[in-house]
Amino acid sequence: DGGITQSPKYLFRKEGQNVTLSCEQNLNHDAMYWYRQDPGQGLRLIYYSQIVNDFQKGDIAEGYSVSREKKESFPLTVTSAQKNPTAFYLCASSIVQGTSYEQYFGPGTRLTVT
Amino acid sequence: SQQGEEDPQALSIQEGENATMNCSYKTSINNLQWYRQNSGRGLVHLILIRSNEREKHSGRLRVTLDTSKKSSSLLITASRAADTASYFCATDNFGNEKLTFGTGTRLTIIP
Repeated sequence: DGGITQSPKYLFRKEGQNVTLSCEQNLNHDAMYWYRQDPGQGLRLIYYSQIVNDFQKGDIAEGYSVSREKKESFPLTVTSAQKNPTAFYLCASSIVQGTSYEQYFGPGTRLTVT
Repeated sequence: SQQGEEDPQALSIQEGENATMNCSYKTSINNLQWYRQNSGRGLVHLILIRSNEREKHSGRLRVTLDTSKKSSSLLITASRAADTASYFCATDNFGNEKLTFGTGTRLTIIP
């Protein structure tokens, strides 16, 4: 069964704590992405990685960190520096086919920080 | 930054009717894609249209692209209750794998 898994589905944390969201893919995709979605809003790019051991900041990287030590894994850490961390977090991956960049999404993790 | 804006923000129609939603974007693009998101779930890719294409079909979906107006439309024909979801357009630029998503249209199909 190929796809992207994110765990856990729901996550609760106290303010001031760092938390790491998991994203794993077995699609053999080179590129992986993290997005944040707030209620009724579109997706905003946090970080992306086009190759192992390399990643770039997206539009809203402040307060977040990532690593890409393996092709299939791209964990996201929400640090205590993120001022408003409660949101729905989506991970995606893609393979470049010619000049097409279709992305495959995981089911998401809903993070609540109180 | 949000490149695309969908219009309308929300749309309710009767089952069996056609649903049309629009997307406008600001800069030149390479491809434009449409995605569907069921409530609380991840996004699912529906269709991709290249900048040199004007129209594309996939089952009950029809997408048009007008690069001179920087706009695209998604038509869902003969709507079904299962089409109830949010629909997002996403654009990419030449040589850049990043997608920029619009704000989405929330479609409700009334049985």
